[in-house]
Order: sequence, then structure tokens, then C-alpha cells
Amino acid sequence: GQNIDQPTEMTATEGAIVQINCTYQTSGFNGLFWYQQHAGEAPTFLSYNVLDGLEEKGRFSSFLSRSKGYSYLLLKELQMKDSASYLCAVRDKGKAAGNKLTFGGGTRVLVKP
Amino acid sequence: GAGVSQTPSNKVTEKGKYVELRCDPISGHTALYWYRQSLGQGPEFLIYFQGTGAADDSGLPNDRFFAVRPEGSVSTLKIQRTERGDSAVYLCASSSDGLAGGNYNEQFFGPGTRLTVL
Repeated sequence: GQNIDQPTEMTATEGAIVQINCTYQTSGFNGLFWYQQHAGEAPTFLSYNVLDGLEEKGRFSSFLSRSKGYSYLLLKELQMKDSASYLCAVRDKGKAAGNKLTFGGGTRVLVKP
Repeated sequence: GAGVSQTPSNKVTEKGKYVELRCDPISGHTALYWYRQSLGQGPEFLIYFQGTGAADDSGLPNDRFFAVRPEGSVSTLKIQRTERGDSAVYLCASSSDGLAGGNYNEQFFGPGTRLTVL
């Protein structure tokens, strides 16, 4: 099975940087995903890491360390519209697992002016 | 369609009733997933289809839950004898198989069906 932990809530100021940590313990691993979910809306894909290291995509970056079972999502130059929940998810290994994702509880980020 | 669509957007039912939730995935996506999300929680996997067959139904909580995808496109999640604990947002997602150039790694979620069991 999978166990995924991330903080429940974080607050940051507009223009600042916030780092959301995610730790996982898994029986199999085939990639870690970050999704953004605004209140009342569907999750939208942000990033995918399967190898160790940093993946940068505009203001958002995601890091993975497989040996430590650890990832973080870095949000730079925060904007008010970044207020949302950020979901860490792990994909199982194995063909039968397909794209099945196990999600953490989500981190609600509140951006203040 | 342009994205994943789900109907109805809201469903209120009484305890013990039967409900059907529909998902229309992105055209051409072979994989389809159902998740359930309770307030303040992350989505919880229910079942995954590859084509018409259920490749993994290990997340279905009990035999009151059943899902079908008879033609490999639209899927219906069926819940019998609903209970108050079934109240949640039911999310559907689809992804390509990557063979036609789509990004296999990205799941596209629908807006969800909010189910309330009174």
C-alpha cells in the first residue's frame, strides 16, 4: 500500500515563495505527481517526477528524492490565484497499476496580500 | 468533447436509494478512473478501466458499488442502497495510452458529481 503525508495548511504572502513537502512510503513506486485544486473545482495536473532531481516549469518546481521518499513543490512569486489545495500523489509500479494514483490529503495554501 | 464531463453535477438522494453517476471522458482516451473525494481530503481511488475492462477495482469500498464502461468510452458508476457515508464528490478522470502522442502521465479530471445522501 501507499502512505502519503503532507501538511494540512500553509499561509504565505503575495510575491513570496512557499515550499510544500510530501513524504511517502510505498510498496511500489512509478512516479510522483502534484495537482492543484481550487475550491469546488477538479484537480489539474502540475508536475510529474520519476527520477531524482528538480523539474522546473515556470513559477512552479517539483523535486524528488526516491531514496528518502520525499518530494516538494516550490511555488515562486506567489499570486493570489495560487490560493488552492495542492495534492501530492504517487503512482504504483506494475503494468496492472496503469495510471492509478494514491493521493495525500492535500495542502491548502492561502496567499495573503 | 473538449474535456471530461460528468453528470449530474449534483445529486441528492435518500438513504437506501439507487444512483447512477455518468462520466464522459476525453475522446480517444483509453484509460478511465473513478475517485471519491470527501471534504478536506485528497481523492481516493475507486476503480480504473483500460478500454472496456476494469483493470483494477480494488478501491471499491463494498459490493454496493459497481462501475461499467461497455463501449470503452462513457462510464457509469452505480451505487445501490446508498448510505449517508457515501456522500462525497465523485471524480472521474481519463488519460491517453501515450501511443498517439498524448501524455500518458497526465490525468484529466472532470468537475465531479456531488452526491448527498440524506
